[in-house]
Amino acid sequence: ETGVTQTPRHLVMGMTNKKSLKCEQHLGHNAMYWYKQSAKKPLELMFVYNFKEQTENNSVPSRFSPECPNSSHLFLHLHTLQPEDSALYLCASSSQGGGVYEQYFGPGTRLTVT
Amino acid sequence: GESVGLHLPTLSVQEGDNSIINCAYSNSASDYFIWYKQESGKGPQFIIDIRSNMDKRQGQRVTVLLNKTVKHLSLQIAATQPGDSAVYFCAENQDGSARQLTFGSGTQLTVLP
Repeated sequence: ETGVTQTPRHLVMGMTNKKSLKCEQHLGHNAMYWYKQSAKKPLELMFVYNFKEQTENNSVPSRFSPECPNSSHLFLHLHTLQPEDSALYLCASSSQGGGVYEQYFGPGTRLTVT
Repeated sequence: GESVGLHLPTLSVQEGDNSIINCAYSNSASDYFIWYKQESGKGPQFIIDIRSNMDKRQGQRVTVLLNKTVKHLSLQIAATQPGDSAVYFCAENQDGSARQLTFGSGTQLTVLP
């Protein structure tokens, strides 16, 4: 285990549904990330939070809404998604000090939009 | 834009042989590189990293080589085992201040019995 947990592990939702993905890290890190992983494509960075403040929004559609209530928890709220949003959504965390770049990933949420 | 890429999408090796996975990068200013392993149904897992002031770094059964002249990164796995079967990603930090990683598309390593 990496110390980063994600729930749910699998999610099937219709295009009119609203759902949320949850991520929690137990590593004492102060930065958290959301990535999208589609088949045969590199990991796509979606959002970055440092000390609960959003520092990066990588041109993500507004149907994805992140929330970071504290340094240990990160949410991704989903609404009116499209079938092309089906993918594995990965959460990661890292320490933002001392020249450390390594990110620790959770197991991901496999999302299917029908 | 500049990106991290992999030479081969798939690699098959016999159990016990050594594996070499290659990665090309295009940003000469990148100062940090990292290899991840992703098994089916799991998130990426850290393997080894290297900073741009080094040419080689060794871990347990793994070695990363960095050739800054040709912007090439490789991961060597010694005595490959069935448990090494996975997708391997290289990633680089292109902006030290942002501490963000840019990932390659991955190489599928299959270990044959």
